[in-house]
Amino acid sequence: GAVVSQHPSRVICKSGTSVKIECRSLDFQATTMFWYRQFPKKSLMLMATSNEGSKATYEQGVEKDKFLINHASLTLSTLTVTSAHPEDSSFYICSAIRAGTYNEQFFGPGTRLTVL
Amino acid sequence: QKEVEQNSGPLSVPEGAIASLNCTYSDRGSQSFFWYRQYSGKSPELIMSIYSNGDKEDGRFTAQLNKASQYVSLLIRDSQPSDSATYLCAVTPEGNNRLAFGKGNQVVVIP
Repeated sequence: GAVVSQHPSRVICKSGTSVKIECRSLDFQATTMFWYRQFPKKSLMLMATSNEGSKATYEQGVEKDKFLINHASLTLSTLTVTSAHPEDSSFYICSAIRAGTYNEQFFGPGTRLTVL
Repeated sequence: QKEVEQNSGPLSVPEGAIASLNCTYSDRGSQSFFWYRQYSGKSPELIMSIYSNGDKEDGRFTAQLNKASQYVSLLIRDSQPSDSATYLCAVTPEGNNRLAFGKGNQVVVIP
């Protein structure tokens, strides 16, 4: 199977701090990874597309200076929420496209961020 | 028109019955079609991929694709309480590798 991990699974932080979330494809290489956010009982919202070795492409309305994305290798992408505020509290989920498939995206287990 | 539409409300089915979910999409050039299952508080899990017209079966799941009608469906046979979840239809628009999701259909399997 195609396994995507995320770390941490849950984080609580104070307002104004920065939080880094890691997304790893464990058993496949992922040239493209995606970052989503989901609020309770709402649909998944795509935040950005992350390609290995290049700058991320952000969706309209997502602040690139607040949500820093780095995709340094074919198996790792990171999302850093800078100067987090309570309104950033959400469920952050990454996904990765398995190379050699027709855009099959496999999702990580998600990171639940709570900003106090 | 939304890219992907799942219009049915919550679906309640008795255990052992067939659950039928439907999805339509607007981009005629779409090439890849997926069904994801999402349990409450969890991330989506890929359960079916389909790329060509016709049926594709995997265990108790059957996906059906009709590109002419821009229609994708999912059948869950012998529904189990563990199938109770939200099912998301997702499509890859032409020239893109991101997923366009429908709003999802909640399925409740009643023992």
